Amino acid sequence: SQQGEEDPQALSIQEGENATMNCSYKTSINNLQWYRQNSGRGLVHLILIRSNEREKHSGRLRVTLDTSKKSSSLLITASRAADTASYFCAPWNSGNTPLVFGKGTRLSVIA
Amino acid sequence: DTGVSQDPRHKITKRGQNVTFRCDPISEHNRLYWYRQTLGQGPEFLTYFQNEAQLEKSRLLSDRFSAERPKGSFSTLEIQRTEQGDSAMYLCASLTTGMGDGYTFGSGTRLTVV
Repeated sequence: SQQGEEDPQALSIQEGENATMNCSYKTSINNLQWYRQNSGRGLVHLILIRSNEREKHSGRLRVTLDTSKKSSSLLITASRAADTASYFCAPWNSGNTPLVFGKGTRLSVIA
Repeated sequence: DTGVSQDPRHKITKRGQNVTFRCDPISEHNRLYWYRQTLGQGPEFLTYFQNEAQLEKSRLLSDRFSAERPKGSFSTLEIQRTEQGDSAMYLCASLTTGMGDGYTFGSGTRLTVV
């Protein structure tokens, strides 16, 4: 299975702090994607990192990928209350396999 | 076309009734996916289409579930003889075939079976 497993399951931080979420997976991948889901809404694609990349930035997001350890991390800097959401990682292997999601990390940012 | 549209947003039905949901993907996206999500869990894959062809179905998709994408544009997901266990959020996503893109999800249809 190419499902990712997020850790921790839940994270609560104060506004302004940084939030770090981790993802582990078991198979070889082509890329790994991170998604955010606000309560009662669909998922939103945040960032994609390819297997030959080690780090990628997008605004306040920083993603790292270590293919030797089959792990990735998502860092949100200077968190805001609006970052409160569930975050999912999705390792992706090949074009014909659909993304498989784990249970995600529930982030709560307290103002 | 600004995104993936799902209709209805909410549906309450009595056990045993049939329900149908609709998904309108981004027009140039040739792949369309259906997922189901229950509270506290991640989305579970149900099925996907490339154009009008249904390429894969999950074992979660019992005989009571059927999905179509007749002209390779919008898709429908029908659940026959609904059960309380079918209560969930049903999510649709679309994608242009290729390795570089993420999925674009709709806002989902929340089904409650009473």
